Amino acid sequence: DVQLLESGGGLVQTGESLRLSCSASGFIFTNYWMSWVRQAPGKGLEWVANIKQDGSVKSYVDSVKGRFTISRDNAKNSVFLQMDRLRAEDTGIYYCTREGYLSGCDNWGQGTRVIVSS
Amino acid sequence: DIVMTQSPLSLPVTPGEPASISCRSSQSLVNSNGYSYLDWYQQKPGQTPQLLMYSISNRASGVPDRFSGSGSGTDFTLKISRVEAEDVGVYYCMQALQTPFTFGQGTRLEIK
Repeated sequence: DVQLLESGGGLVQTGESLRLSCSASGFIFTNYWMSWVRQAPGKGLEWVANIKQDGSVKSYVDSVKGRFTISRDNAKNSVFLQMDRLRAEDTGIYYCTREGYLSGCDNWGQGTRVIVSS
Repeated sequence: DIVMTQSPLSLPVTPGEPASISCRSSQSLVNSNGYSYLDWYQQKPGQTPQLLMYSISNRASGVPDRFSGSGSGTDFTLKISRVEAEDVGVYYCMQALQTPFTFGQGTRLEIK
């Protein structure tokens, strides 16, 4: 079975950094794009970033460009989200997702909670 | 960015009755490969979102056949033929044609 396990969330102050990790198993990691999606408390879903199989292509939502960096380590079946200069509006649950061949997010992790306090 | 607009935002339904959710995109979601990159996700209370439908009308693994998707171009619909209590939650459409992928606002389905 596909498993995505996020870690690295926590409580930080405005302007600080966090690095989220997602460990993947149950599938051939190098065959898939990977994404991060977030959900602010009581709000809807927002796609944050994605990365190609070999790491050569990365895309971001405008609100995180220049502050967040997505990366992956195919040897460790892991994808990361480095979050710098955090803002209160970055607070939420961050989900690691696998992109399907014809879908955006065909598998989701349980999420890791990020709280940015001002 | 492609804007996704859902309606209604709240949907009270009697068990056993049908339900329908509309999703409209600000531009066509048809890729050069002929597929439309329109997904539906279900998020039950307190749970992680799950893929429900992909490429407009394909049910994800394990999704009951009372769920169906239709539409083309910029107008899409998710239908539940007979709502059950376990269908309570928020439903999102999402376009995966181009980044940034974008979600609709979500439709909250509740049981009357």
